[in-house]
Amino acid sequence: SYELTQPPSVSVSPGQTASITCSGDKLGDKYACWYQQKPGQSPVLVIYQDSKRPSGIPERFSGSNSGNTATLTISGTQAMDEADYYCQAWDSGGVFGTGTKVTVL
Amino acid sequence: EVQLVESGGGLVQPGGSLRLSCAASGFTFSSYSMNWVRQAPGKGLEWVSYISSSSSTIYYADSVKGRFTISRDNAKNSLYLQMNSLRAEDTAVYYCAKQWLAFDYWGQGTLVTVSS
Repeated sequence: SYELTQPPSVSVSPGQTASITCSGDKLGDKYACWYQQKPGQSPVLVIYQDSKRPSGIPERFSGSNSGNTATLTISGTQAMDEADYYCQAWDSGGVFGTGTKVTVL
Repeated sequence: EVQLVESGGGLVQPGGSLRLSCAASGFTFSSYSMNWVRQAPGKGLEWVSYISSSSSTIYYADSVKGRFTISRDNAKNSLYLQMNSLRAEDTAVYYCAKQWLAFDYWGQGTLVTVSS
């Protein structure tokens, strides 16, 4: 079965850039999307089709996808961005990444 | 405003059954594919099942295939998940999610606990 691997945690200082990777076999041949989940809340879509932002998602969230790796970048990270982030792709069904906890120190 | 409201969760014994529902509003339900996604306590997201807008295409995760059945009633704007032969590892919050290029809207989830 298809697997997506993310680093368990990423730490970033306020105002700095956080990058979260998502690795999967030939992931660049598929569309990747990203979800943000804060404690006790439902996931929220922040990036779809590799790099597109839904309405209402701040411009500081951006995405890319090439080769075997998709990347979510949070520029000018704010305290409110502290959350779990999951990548997701489609391979005869939905596949989620292992999740990354972003801590804003 | 898009709203997805799940219901039907609860405590069930191993081997038992449960039927989850998801009431949709704020969009043309019959035009969109829908999914169930679950999250075990303290764990990550796991996709469970997909159903196309007309119910013509259905997919399941290997972990639930043969035990769970997804369905929808477009006249009632509702999505369902029939869960049979439940196991302890099925314990999770179950979310319904609307699909348009990605899972663009999620419900608040309903907790299913499988325990004796």
